[in-house]
Amino acid sequence: AQSVTQPDIHITVSEGASLELRCNYSYGATPYLFWYVQSPGQGLQLLLKYFSGDTLVQGIKGFEAEFKRSQSSFNLRKPSVHWSDAAEYFCAVGFSGGYNKLIFGAGTRLAVHP
Amino acid sequence: DAGITQSPRHKVTETGTPVTLRCHQTENHRYMYWYRQDPGHGLRLIHYSYGVKDTDKGEVSDGYSVSRSKTEDFLLTLESATSSQTSVYFCAIEGGQGGHEQFFGPGTRLTVL
Repeated sequence: AQSVTQPDIHITVSEGASLELRCNYSYGATPYLFWYVQSPGQGLQLLLKYFSGDTLVQGIKGFEAEFKRSQSSFNLRKPSVHWSDAAEYFCAVGFSGGYNKLIFGAGTRLAVHP
Repeated sequence: DAGITQSPRHKVTETGTPVTLRCHQTENHRYMYWYRQDPGHGLRLIHYSYGVKDTDKGEVSDGYSVSRSKTEDFLLTLESATSSQTSVYFCAIEGGQGGHEQFFGPGTRLTVL
């Protein structure tokens, strides 16, 4: 069965530190890959996406993610975290087949210390 | 801004009452989705629609029905609300330059007492 795993439920980093959020998926082919961010009480905002091509993709707010086929991973990174990045981050994997199905990970909540 | 609104934004209701949540989009997208968000589960698909009067079930559809009589509106109905349906409900549309991206509404927080 298709699944998405975000191993870290909570992560705390200091402002200015680098960040990496992990995402692994289980699927027999290359899926579409997404990272979304959700601030408290808000909807989900798309940070970046991977469909094909260059495996390092750039997104909004200074985020990037790298697709590694051999590891079935799509980790999100940011070189220097700002206090405003505190939020919950969701990895999602999309599969074509009738409709474009998205499966979400359980999310990683990021706290940023000043 | 994908032009998605949801109403109501908050609702408190009692067990056994019917509840209808509305999703409205302004950009004529074909695909629309309803998800529920619960701690530890991320978002899970309830139902989706691929056109007017064309809908199908997602992974957690029990206890929910949907209708789409116009392209712009996608309604989610809880025929008889239960406490297990207390959740935050998000509507999404599919769009974007490459396709496959989903854009989300602001959500509806539903509490069933």
